[in-house]
Amino acid sequence: DAGVIQSPRHEVTEMGQEVTLRCKPISGHNSLFWYRQTMMRGLELLIYFNNNVPIDDSGMPEDRFSAKMPNASFSTLKIQPSEPRDSAVYFCASSSGGGRPEQYFGPGTRLTVT
Amino acid sequence: GESVGLHLPTLSVQEGDNSIINCAYSNSASDYFIWYKQESGKGPQFIIDIRSNMDKRQGQRVTVLLNKTVKHLSLQIAATQPGDSAVYFCAENRNDYKLSFGAGTTVTVRA
Repeated sequence: DAGVIQSPRHEVTEMGQEVTLRCKPISGHNSLFWYRQTMMRGLELLIYFNNNVPIDDSGMPEDRFSAKMPNASFSTLKIQPSEPRDSAVYFCASSSGGGRPEQYFGPGTRLTVT
Repeated sequence: GESVGLHLPTLSVQEGDNSIINCAYSNSASDYFIWYKQESGKGPQFIIDIRSNMDKRQGQRVTVLLNKTVKHLSLQIAATQPGDSAVYFCAENRNDYKLSFGAGTTVTVRA
């Protein structure tokens, strides 16, 4: 079975540019999560979708960050404009719900903003 | 505030020995705990989970122990192998969708 798929794996961009990260959750999973991981702050939950609807976006740093889930098999996280402090590894995770809260993570996108 | 934390940030273990990774949690309402393994350049990988109505659960070469009295969770890895070198995170769930992750313990296996 395919796990969570993320693209691109690496992204290097200049400050001020728009960045779009993509995620395909595990088929049949109805919950999707976006995380950011840094050495200083560890794993931070940015946003949570359930059945394609954003439920909790309290972790989104600021208005420069936005996320969408147009259908059950695709989600995007967009940063516009990007800043050097956005440099981090961004993970997408999905879970099946139904009383099993374990989440399955994708390989991550390493973002570097110069 | 309430948090999940790890006792030790690093652990060095001889290949073939058993490893024990510890985790403390402070929220007695947590009812589900998970251990993740994160290798360099990869996402966290689910290892094993345990519910609060259990004290022990075993998997392949791994055992998770839960002591609710002192709010302590541990992961035991039997016969540690070089491929076990990674960062290990414990995470707790409080009967909702969120997982609260600890800071992580870096395990290094010496040949």
